Amino acid sequence: SQKIEQNSEALNIQEGKTATLTCNYTNYSPAYLQWYRQDPGRGPVFLLLIRENEKEKRKERLKVTFDTTLKQSLFHITASQPADSATYLCALPGGGFKTIFGAGTRLFVKA
Amino acid sequence: DGGITQSPKYLFRKEGQNVTLSCEQNLNHDAMYWYRQDPGQGLRLIYYSQIVNDFQKGDIAEGYSVSREKKESFPLTVTSAQKNPTAFYLCASRDSGPYNEQFFGPGTRLTVL
Repeated sequence: SQKIEQNSEALNIQEGKTATLTCNYTNYSPAYLQWYRQDPGRGPVFLLLIRENEKEKRKERLKVTFDTTLKQSLFHITASQPADSATYLCALPGGGFKTIFGAGTRLFVKA
Repeated sequence: DGGITQSPKYLFRKEGQNVTLSCEQNLNHDAMYWYRQDPGQGLRLIYYSQIVNDFQKGDIAEGYSVSREKKESFPLTVTSAQKNPTAFYLCASRDSGPYNEQFFGPGTRLTVL
């Protein structure tokens, strides 16, 4: 069955550094991949979508890569700030109107 | 202001009682979803609806029921048959067509005492 894996351990980094989060998937060839941000006690918010024919996508300080051979996406936040502290979820289309979400990786940015 | 509203934010119920969680959207989206989120876990799909008067079971539908009588509304009932109902419940909607993202409501935290 389709499976998404994100590092369950929290990522702690210093302000100003680049945060890199990983999303791996198996038994799947998705047409696109999405990243969402979720703050504690709130609903996820969509950040970026990258299609299978795109290697890289950027939005302000965010950069996403998509390697369909490795079945992996990397999510980078450059010049990280304490306000970037949140849980970041990777998501893939689940067939039809469905979306499959990873468990997320918690990011802490220290000032 | 377009978006999704869920009410209430916090809900407490006694074991054995049914409870209905509200979800309303004014984004004119066709598809709506209910997810359950437990600590340290991802979002698990309970039910989804692609159009009015139609809905499908997700991965963990047992003990839950939904209705979709209006495009903008998709209420979720947590029945007494749900073995472990205490969780954070999220409603979402999505426009039809490929590549569209989901828009989430603020969530309802249900605690069954």
